[in-house]
Amino acid sequence: KQEVTQIPAALSVPEGENLVLNCSFTDSAIYNLQWFRQDPGKGLTSLLLIQSSQREQTSGRLNASLDKSSGRSTLYIAASQPGDSATYLCAVDQTGANNLFFGTGTRLTVIP
Amino acid sequence: GAGVSQSPSNKVTEKGKDVELRCDPISGHTALYWYRQSLGQGLEFLIYFQGNSAPDKSGLPSDRFSAERTGGSVSTLTIQRTQQEDSAVYLCASSRYGDRAATYYEQYFGPGTRLTVT
Repeated sequence: KQEVTQIPAALSVPEGENLVLNCSFTDSAIYNLQWFRQDPGKGLTSLLLIQSSQREQTSGRLNASLDKSSGRSTLYIAASQPGDSATYLCAVDQTGANNLFFGTGTRLTVIP
Repeated sequence: GAGVSQSPSNKVTEKGKDVELRCDPISGHTALYWYRQSLGQGLEFLIYFQGNSAPDKSGLPSDRFSAERTGGSVSTLTIQRTQQEDSAVYLCASSRYGDRAATYYEQYFGPGTRLTVT
């Protein structure tokens, strides 16, 4: 069974700092990998989706990379802002049916 | 346009009672998913509906859990004889689903239903 791990579980950084969140998965046979953010009491918001054939995706200050062979993905956040404070989840789609396996998340706090 | 909506937002029930959770997907989305997020754990896939195909029930934790999707739109997740370990946030998501050649299957999530079993 696919297992998705995120490290660290929690991270606090001062505003303006660049940071990297890590995601690893045990089965490299995936269709895609997605990064989401979850704000307290709210649902998930999709940030970036990387297809298995891609190496990275960028959206604004966010850059996600994928190394499928090693089972790793990173989410890079540039010039962090207090509004970036949330829990970040990575999820892999192993079947192509969008049945996602989620990691337990990294809770990010950006300190003004 | 309207996003995915779920009701109720909060539900407190006594152990042994049955509960129904509702999800209204985005109009036109043919795929619908239920997930569960327990305290301190990641999201856990429960069930997936795609059009008129038989649902993928592989994630349902026990036969006390069932779900249906009427008319290809609204879905109801039913938990019978609730147990305390059923306490969690239940999230619903929908997506536009094309053929396997499509490259983007973004799931849009609802705000969830927080279920507390006392």
